[in-house]
Amino acid sequence: DTAVSQTPKYLVTQMGNDKSIKCEQNLGHDTMYWYKQDSKKFLKIMFSYNNKELIINETVPNRFSPKSPDKAHLNLHINSLELGDSAVYFCASSQGVGNRGTGELFFGEGSRLTVL
Amino acid sequence: AQKITQTQPGMFVQEKEAVTLDCTYDTSDQSYGLFWYKQPSSGEMIFLIYQGSYDEQNATEGRYSLNFQKARKSANLVISASQLGDSAMYFCAMRVNTGTASKLTFGTGTRLQVTL
Repeated sequence: DTAVSQTPKYLVTQMGNDKSIKCEQNLGHDTMYWYKQDSKKFLKIMFSYNNKELIINETVPNRFSPKSPDKAHLNLHINSLELGDSAVYFCASSQGVGNRGTGELFFGEGSRLTVL
Repeated sequence: AQKITQTQPGMFVQEKEAVTLDCTYDTSDQSYGLFWYKQPSSGEMIFLIYQGSYDEQNATEGRYSLNFQKARKSANLVISASQLGDSAMYFCAMRVNTGTASKLTFGTGTRLQVTL
């Protein structure tokens, strides 16, 4: 069983389109994240949710809208895609530090988005 | 400001030799955590090792050990007896506490190439 799974693994789309990436974790973690990895391999946090509540929003354009229907799911919707959105998007989850966790991130396999 | 620095963009090591990947950090927090992740060419993020700021012993996990020097704010990863399969990107990360939330902030990574 995959602990953190995200779909799709690959997306190729035209500028201006809207796309979604879905993420699910079966680890029972309270906190989920979206990270973006650019072409230089730099990993940067975008959002974090704790028990369906948005707790971190790192100056991401409004075109990106995360949604967490429950604590096991965190989806990312991107409107009006731009060339600069091309990247690998990683979903991750963690057990909160307050719950005797270390904060270790468990990552999904990544979704490679290519905007043409 | 909380920051993670990896100054080695690329490293080469011969098979069976040991290699040290450098990581320095900057934080004013007393409680923090330091992580190393491996990203092979297939793209997944693999957790390697964790060191808590209050841990007195250096963390070890198999061939991986973390050389934690708190006064110098460094958390270098040592890989002993390198194998060809160790060729990958390696990321150092620090858990940063932001109010009620915590997140991992990543360094820019070091690309390790193991040669015969």
